[in-house]
Amino acid sequence: DTEVTQTPKHLVMGMTNKKSLKCEQHMGHRAMYWYKQKAKKPPELMFVYSYEKLSINESVPSRFSPECPNSSLLNLHLHALQPEDSALYLCASSHPIRHLNYGYTFGSGTRLTVV
Amino acid sequence: AQTVTQSQPEMSVQEAETVTLSCTYDTSESNYYLFWYKQPPSRQMILVIRQEAYKQQNATENRFSVNFQKAAKSFSLKISDSQLGDTAMYFCALYSGAGSYQLTFGKGTKLSVIP
Repeated sequence: DTEVTQTPKHLVMGMTNKKSLKCEQHMGHRAMYWYKQKAKKPPELMFVYSYEKLSINESVPSRFSPECPNSSLLNLHLHALQPEDSALYLCASSHPIRHLNYGYTFGSGTRLTVV
Repeated sequence: AQTVTQSQPEMSVQEAETVTLSCTYDTSESNYYLFWYKQPPSRQMILVIRQEAYKQQNATENRFSVNFQKAAKSFSLKISDSQLGDTAMYFCALYSGAGSYQLTFGKGTKLSVIP
């Protein structure tokens, strides 16, 4: 299995809703990432988990709450989002030592629309 | 701080022709890695090619090759025998700083292959 699987592929939510994005990989990668990508822009790093511990939080608002329950799974919990949070949310993973040899493996993303 | 600059927002090429995408970067680190990622309309970020800064030999992957000019801090991507499936956004990315796991992306170049 050489994939990062993200669900759902599309999500529409109201500003008062609570929803979660899910990311899963079975490549033995121990670093996992959340990126936010607006249209025609490069991905922006949000969070990094290394060995299931949060190692980087790029000053993301608290309405985004990441969780890494185990080495294969990464969640992003969403609550009270704003319309400007509408974007493509990408998950990625990498091998903790060989990540520079193989780069980062990205999922296909969740297209989030906040109404 | 490190930066990555892609000066060509959009490019087009005839099928079977060759095209070169430009990228310049800046970093104070002596050891770093450079990547080209492709993002087709399917949204998934796909690693195209990588280059280690301490290796003078330019990387090659089938129809894709790079021209790495370390002194000029330039890292261009050449696509030979362009195919319709090469139509995508191409992002140049830089990694430096051991353990930080952070990629810095350029703004991207939208490449269209014309039949």
